[in-house]
Amino acid sequence: DAGVTQSPTHLIKTRGQQVTLRCSPKSGHDTVSWYQQALGQGPQFIFQYYEEEERQRGNFPDRFSGHQFPNYSSELNVNALLLGDSALYLCASRWGPHSEQYFGPGTRLTVT
Amino acid sequence: SQKIEQNSEALNIQEGKTATLTCNYTNYSPAYLQWYRQDPGRGPVFLLLIRENEKEKRKERLKVTFDTTLKQSLFHITASQPADSATYLCALPQYGGSQGNLIFGKGTKLSVKP
Repeated sequence: DAGVTQSPTHLIKTRGQQVTLRCSPKSGHDTVSWYQQALGQGPQFIFQYYEEEERQRGNFPDRFSGHQFPNYSSELNVNALLLGDSALYLCASRWGPHSEQYFGPGTRLTVT
Repeated sequence: SQKIEQNSEALNIQEGKTATLTCNYTNYSPAYLQWYRQDPGRGPVFLLLIRENEKEKRKERLKVTFDTTLKQSLFHITASQPADSATYLCALPQYGGSQGNLIFGKGTKLSVKP
């Protein structure tokens, strides 16, 4: 079992650009959540996808959008990048609404 | 909204001692609380889940307690080892009960010295 995988591992972008991050959930998991983690902080919830729809959303602007595909994999898109978007972006998957979450290794995004 | 406070940013202890980490929440009573371990540059790893009707839960050298009156969970690592050095995060549902997404504390960085 590969667990949760994310790509790319690292990414450097310029202010104003757009970025797409990808996530494949653990086998058997149908719910995917995305988190942003700044240095020294806990993960901040961005949104959650289930059955290809956004089910819950945290306090993030519309520049952050996502998608879930029929095979449960997911994408996180961020438009008009700001310096403050630099962070570790984590994807987590689970089966069912209240089970433990399995996190991927994250994508380190640097905006210059 | 719900707030989580992990009492210290860093905790330094000697190998073999028991490490005790604290997680306090401020508002809604959660139906459960989870603890994760995170190593630098990596995603969090799930350790334990404790439900509101459980006072204590154990897994090998780990023990978690949950006091809904104090709105507090304690996380203990007994016979600590340098390999236990990491950041430990607590997490619970944002709106109490089982409602809302999982929110995380800032974490406590544990360093176990040989």
